[in-house]
Amino acid sequence: QQPVQSPQAVILREGEDAVINCSSSKALYSVHWYRQKHGEAPVFLMILLKGGEQKGHDKISASFNEKKQQSSLYLTASQLSYSGTYFCGTETRSRDDKIIFGKGTRLHILP
Amino acid sequence: SAVISQKPSRDICQRGTSLTIQCQVDSQVTMMFWYRQQPGQSLTLIATANQGSEATYESGFVIDKFPISRPNLTFSTLTVSNMSPEDSSIYLCSVIPANTGELFFGEGSRLTVL
Repeated sequence: QQPVQSPQAVILREGEDAVINCSSSKALYSVHWYRQKHGEAPVFLMILLKGGEQKGHDKISASFNEKKQQSSLYLTASQLSYSGTYFCGTETRSRDDKIIFGKGTRLHILP
Repeated sequence: SAVISQKPSRDICQRGTSLTIQCQVDSQVTMMFWYRQQPGQSLTLIATANQGSEATYESGFVIDKFPISRPNLTFSTLTVSNMSPEDSSIYLCSVIPANTGELFFGEGSRLTVL
């Protein structure tokens, strides 16, 4: 089942913060976050495996609430390079190794 | 990490023809995945390809239309058969290297069907 992402699109000014949410109706084993720039392949950002786990690097971090089957991606003090489409991908509790992606969130950063 | 090479990177095809996309990985991987991304859309899983067994197709995708081969642990092909304009899309090969859990994508093959 496809996870649901929100919002569909965000426009920010450089330096502002953003949160992108991802939720599933199925119990999750893991959540993956990717960023895709126009004309390029998706690039891996991070994977979250445990309930309540948080991860981050640079000014991008994410949380995973296993009980609620929800994950959020936090972009702090956004930079122009953060522009792109963000996809969450989910792997269900059965650990079948396949990752199903949400519809994506388009993020546009203005100077 | 994994380096994935896909061929062709792009092609323009005529309706009714078939095209085979090749995917080569620089390391051995158990599972390879084929995704489709239609213009402005999300990544849709077509099938999972394990070496030595038949591919597992997702709902809406069938072997007759998208036959997949997986002859060894570093290579796979996806054929798009009897193409129609609705098959115009980017097709992406992806893998999860052992002990990483991270899904890596090839650069994609952009197909345009006239």
